[in-house]
Amino acid sequence: GESVGLHLPTLSVQEGDNSIINCAYSNSASDYFIWYKQESGKGPQFIIDIRSNMDKRQGQRVTVLLNKTVKHLSLQIAATQPGDSAVYFCAVSNTDKLIFGTGTRLQVFP
Amino acid sequence: DGGITQSPKYLFRKEGQNVTLSCEQNLNHDAMYWYRQDPGQGLRLIYYSQIVNDFQKGDIAEGYSVSREKKESFPLTVTSAQKNPTAFYLCASSMVGGTYEQYFGPGTRLTVT
Repeated sequence: GESVGLHLPTLSVQEGDNSIINCAYSNSASDYFIWYKQESGKGPQFIIDIRSNMDKRQGQRVTVLLNKTVKHLSLQIAATQPGDSAVYFCAVSNTDKLIFGTGTRLQVFP
Repeated sequence: DGGITQSPKYLFRKEGQNVTLSCEQNLNHDAMYWYRQDPGQGLRLIYYSQIVNDFQKGDIAEGYSVSREKKESFPLTVTSAQKNPTAFYLCASSMVGGTYEQYFGPGTRLTVT
């Protein structure tokens, strides 16, 4: 079945630096990809999504890159702030549902 | 305000008791989902429903049951058959199809002792 994996369980960055969180998926038929942010004890919040007909999409301080050839997805956060500290999940479409990765914890230090 | 509500936020039960977690949405979404999250882990799908009076098992349905009698509501019952019920439970809703954003509720933390 479909599997979704994140490359690093924890990422530590200095405030103001850029952060890059990576995700790999296995199903080449997946056509929708989404990133969520989850703060402790709360439900995941939508950050940004991308469909398979695109390879890059930008939001406010965030960019998602999709490489369908190697089945890889990344989330870039520009000028990381303390408020960005959270767990980040990627999710990939699989027929009628999403498959979630295990998450990367982003720690921002001053 | 549109959104998803889950209640209660914290729930405590004794082993051997069934417990029902509430999930309500006013987003007019057809699809609803239940996930389980354990500490340091990702989200695992328990059950999902794409239309009223129909639902499908997810990856870890054993020991759980659901109903979908109304579009707005998708309650989850954790039965005494669930071996490790203590977890954080998340409900979500979306448009139908699996290629749309899922909107999540705030979660219910269930502790069974």
